[in-house]
Amino acid sequence: EIVLTQSPGTLSLSPGERATLSCRASQSVSSSYLAWYQQKPGQAPRLLIYGASSRATGIPDRFSGSGSGTDFTLTISRLEPEDFAVYYCQQYGSSPKVTFGPGTKVDIK
Amino acid sequence: EVQLVESGGGLVKPGGSLRLSCAASGFTFSSYSMNWVRQAPGKGLEWVSSISSSSSYIYYADSVKGRFTISRDNAKNSLYLQMNSLRAEDTAVYYCARKSAPSNPKHYYFDYWGQGTLVTVSS
Repeated sequence: EIVLTQSPGTLSLSPGERATLSCRASQSVSSSYLAWYQQKPGQAPRLLIYGASSRATGIPDRFSGSGSGTDFTLTISRLEPEDFAVYYCQQYGSSPKVTFGPGTKVDIK
Repeated sequence: EVQLVESGGGLVKPGGSLRLSCAASGFTFSSYSMNWVRQAPGKGLEWVSSISSSSSYIYYADSVKGRFTISRDNAKNSLYLQMNSLRAEDTAVYYCARKSAPSNPKHYYFDYWGQGTLVTVSS
């Protein structure tokens, strides 16, 4: 099973700042089969990024994904008030038994 | 508009059973693989089970294998999860989630999610 580790656990930033979230896999994720989700309190997760770097439909271009192999990054170029949430990475290289990372909380400094 | 609406959650005693349902609308349900993903209170996401569009392929997480059964009824646009021998550690919000990209079996990420239904296992 591929284990995902996310860092930092919590990121405290101000609106307008840049957020850089890391997701590291215990083994190489084939074909960059990595997705990112955003989850706000009391809501379901929302797909942001798939294939490590492709934005899902309707996702603003301030969200970008990069990386390959075992190291992946989600970048939010300028934080908007609605971006403060928890972010999860998910690998699907071993589909359908996919795994999620433990999450990174982005909160307001 | 794609909609996934879960129901059937509630309070159940350890060892008990519960059946969750997910009603789908706004897309051709019979073309998509569907999944259950759960989230324990204050915790992260855990994939539970998946079923292919025609029910030919079914998979379970090791944590629920032998206790949970996933099924679907394409005529009713519905997904189900029969949960038996429930344990305290099964307490979670259970989400119904659609696998994206029906034409590519390797693209196993989830583009639509329901709002979830809470299952609490406690005596």
